Amino acid sequence: GQQVMQIPQYQHVQEGEDFTTYCNSSTTLSNIQWYKQRPGGHPVFLIQLVKSGEVKKQKRLTFQFGEAKKNSSLHITATQTTDVGTYFCAGSGSGYALNFGKGTSLLVTP
Amino acid sequence: DAEITQSPRHKITETGRQVTLACHQTWNHNNMFWYRQDLGHGLRLIHYSYGVQDTNKGEVSDGYSVSRSNTEDLPLTLESAASSQTSVYFCASSTGTGGPGELFFGEGSRLTVL
Repeated sequence: GQQVMQIPQYQHVQEGEDFTTYCNSSTTLSNIQWYKQRPGGHPVFLIQLVKSGEVKKQKRLTFQFGEAKKNSSLHITATQTTDVGTYFCAGSGSGYALNFGKGTSLLVTP
Repeated sequence: DAEITQSPRHKITETGRQVTLACHQTWNHNNMFWYRQDLGHGLRLIHYSYGVQDTNKGEVSDGYSVSRSNTEDLPLTLESAASSQTSVYFCASSTGTGGPGELFFGEGSRLTVL
């Protein structure tokens, strides 16, 4: 079945440094979504990408979807302590069920 | 405001007992999903439904069942709880018209099986 791999598993940065998490799928995806989960909370939707090569920005966050629609990345510029949490990518094939990566836990030290 | 609620939020049970986790959404979403979250495994799909009377197995469906008798509810049943089912369970819903759409998650139900 479809698998979504995400790296790194953990990332510890100093406040102000950049952060990137990568997501790779074994199969072509129809779309990819990104979620953020704060410690003790539930996942919250950030964005959805559907087009090959698509790039979207949300303030300091930049999301990319690969040309082959098998990989994606989330880049945070100048991290802040409010960015702490676990970031998940989730992809779907032909159906509506999303398969999540294992997530990247981001720790930001002031 | 529309919402998605899970109950109970915390549950401790014994091995072999039947447990049902409730999920109720007021968005009138067609699609509903159950995930479990464990350290090192992320979110894994258990079961999902695209509408009333529709249910589908996910990646880790063994030992779990769901039923969809109305749009608002998708209860998750563990027929005979096992220690390996100790986890945090999240219910989610989406409109899913023309694509998966944004998933709205409940607050989660933490289940401990002793």
